[in-house]
Amino acid sequence: RKEVEQDPGPFNVPEGATVAFNCTYSNSASQSFFWYRQDCRKEPKLLMSVYSSGNEDGRFTAQLNRASQYISLLIRDSKLSDSATYLCAVNAGAGKSTFGDGTTLTVKP
Amino acid sequence: DTGVSQDPRHKITKRGQNVTFRCDPISEHNRLYWYRQTLGQGPEFLTYFQNEAQLEKSRLLSDRFSAERPKGSFSTLEIQRTEQGDSAMYLCASSSRDRGPLAGLGEQFFGPGTRLTVL
Repeated sequence: RKEVEQDPGPFNVPEGATVAFNCTYSNSASQSFFWYRQDCRKEPKLLMSVYSSGNEDGRFTAQLNRASQYISLLIRDSKLSDSATYLCAVNAGAGKSTFGDGTTLTVKP
Repeated sequence: DTGVSQDPRHKITKRGQNVTFRCDPISEHNRLYWYRQTLGQGPEFLTYFQNEAQLEKSRLLSDRFSAERPKGSFSTLEIQRTEQGDSAMYLCASSSRDRGPLAGLGEQFFGPGTRLTVL
């Protein structure tokens, strides 16, 4: 079993839809959590850090559930430009981050 | 541009050759990371530095791989005797130890990567 797991998708949604991704992690000592966005053949770009209390940035909401060891990302009012691969990353405090393999989202007109 | 930069962006080499990649982190960041990514996978951790000290190396990093950060600024990753299985995107990231509400666990910012193809 991988340390960080994501549903690879693809998620195909119409513009304006709400879509949610989950990411589960196995290391209960994990301390910080992040969502990255990666476009095809580009580097990952930090989308959001995930705080214990949850956080929101415009159409994006991230939540952390420590008891069940998962983080989630909710995208409201999807735009065509949201089409990308979304990677979650988990850091157990040793510096490195452990990434999931990503969830692919395609938003269609 | 004050982001992370990497050079070269693309490298094609023949099996058995040595290659070296360079990463220049965001200037005020003291942590620097190397990852490798293949198609359909997330980035896999290779090694990281805090200032000039190499603090952790992955088991993925065979003895053909070596990384340095001699002055605590830019870093190099060298692969000796390349193999076809080394073909991947090599990503560098940097973070600031004291940035963000979770001090010591700062967000990482990636460079554009070096795409290596071993023929």
